[in-house]
Amino acid sequence: NAGVTQTPKFRILKIGQSMTLQCAQDMNHNYMYWYRQDPGMGLKLIYYSVGAGITDKGEVPNGYNVSRSTTEDFPLRLELAAPSQTSVYFCASSWVVGNPNYGYTFGSGTRLTVV
Amino acid sequence: GIQVEQSPPDLILQEGANSTLRCNFSDSVNNLQWFHQNPWGQLINLFYIPSGTKQNGRLSATTVATERYSLLYISSSQTTDSGVYFCAAPDTGRRALTFGSGTRLQVQP
Repeated sequence: NAGVTQTPKFRILKIGQSMTLQCAQDMNHNYMYWYRQDPGMGLKLIYYSVGAGITDKGEVPNGYNVSRSTTEDFPLRLELAAPSQTSVYFCASSWVVGNPNYGYTFGSGTRLTVV
Repeated sequence: GIQVEQSPPDLILQEGANSTLRCNFSDSVNNLQWFHQNPWGQLINLFYIPSGTKQNGRLSATTVATERYSLLYISSSQTTDSGVYFCAAPDTGRRALTFGSGTRLQVQP
C-alpha cells in the first residue's frame, strides 16, 4: 500500500530550466493537492484538483502548471525555473466523506533548489 | 480566505513536560485538522477535529468552533514528539486546507 508517491526526492535546477514533479496515489482519492513549504514556514497551496480533468489555482500558482488526466496522477510542471521556486514541494490527496478535505495523506516531498 | 494563526511559534521542553499548542482561525469551520511534521520532513495527520475533544495516547485535541480556536495537548513529552505541529482549516473559497505557520517543538532529553 504505497499511499502518495512523489518523484524525484531531490533536484537541482538551473535558472530557466523546466521540470515536472510527479505525484501518484493508489487510494482512489478524488482530491489531490500541491503545496510548497519554504524554510521555516507553513504550507502554501499551489494548485488542487477535485477529480480527473478538473484543476484550480491555489494561493501561489504563478510559475506552475498542472494537469489531471487520471484519478491516480497529478503532475506539477515548473516552466522557466527561478530562484524563488527553491522550496520543498508536497503532494497530498484526500477523499470526501461528509465534510470536504477529510484525511489528507501527504507524499514524502521533493526538495528543489534553483541555482 | 480563512486566516489560521498558531502560537507559540517555538517551544522548547524537557522530556516529561506537558504543553499546549493553540490554533486560532478567522471563520467558522466544519473541519479542523492537526498535523505533525517530523524532523525528516514527513507530514502525518494527527487529528480531524471540527468540534469537541479527541484523544490519541499522550496527545489530545479540543476544538471550540463557536470561539474559533483549537488546542493540541501533549502530555509527558518525549524526544520523538519533536518537530513542527500544524493546524489547518478549509479555505472558504477553495476546496483545500489552509495551513497555519506552525509551532516548532523541541523536546530535550
